Amino acid sequence: NAGVTQTPKFRVLKTGQSMTLLCAQDMNHEYMYWYRQDPGMGLRLIHYSVGEGTTAKGEVPDGYNVSRLKKQNFLLGLESAAPSQTSVYFCASTKTGFSPLHFGNGTRLTVT
Amino acid sequence: GQQLNQSPQSMFIQEGEDVSMNCTSSSIFNTWLWYKQEPGEGPVLLIALYKAGELTSNGRLTAQFGITRKDSFLNISASIPSDVGIYFCAGRPQGGSEKLVFGKGTKLTVNP
Repeated sequence: NAGVTQTPKFRVLKTGQSMTLLCAQDMNHEYMYWYRQDPGMGLRLIHYSVGEGTTAKGEVPDGYNVSRLKKQNFLLGLESAAPSQTSVYFCASTKTGFSPLHFGNGTRLTVT
Repeated sequence: GQQLNQSPQSMFIQEGEDVSMNCTSSSIFNTWLWYKQEPGEGPVLLIALYKAGELTSNGRLTAQFGITRKDSFLNISASIPSDVGIYFCAGRPQGGSEKLVFGKGTKLTVNP
């Protein structure tokens, strides 16, 4: 049972490039989330989804887009990367809106 | 938005010592969760609390859901080197929000 899997683990982008981060969960969870983690800032919610085909904005959504075409996958896109988006990105999922979150191991993104 | 104040920000202790950290908020929370994050990995759930006054243990860890529903604490007894990491509190605000609010973390260092 893999749980929550994030790909890639590391990525370096130049300013203006685009990329997609993939999150996959095999626990049949309805809810999925994308967070970013920066030193001293804790975990900040970017976007989330309460079910297949749905997405909603979190605390820091600007510069990011998401899609949830399949229940098990939640994609995070950066259309035009900026140095301020250098961060560690975590995906999480949960069965219901009242259950604890299960996290992936993160994607470390550097934008130069 | 709602915020959680987590303290202390960091702790440096000797192996064998007990540790205490807490989270407070100005608003009421229905759920309190405590996570641990080790370097290069995602946060892992330690303890979940769902009821005011609830006291729950997980090995050497004990956490409590404050009676006012605005705070929670985590204690670690007889610390060992593998307790090193960042501990996060997280809460689900009253109103049934599907979004968790995270504290900024307590970084624990244990000297052998």
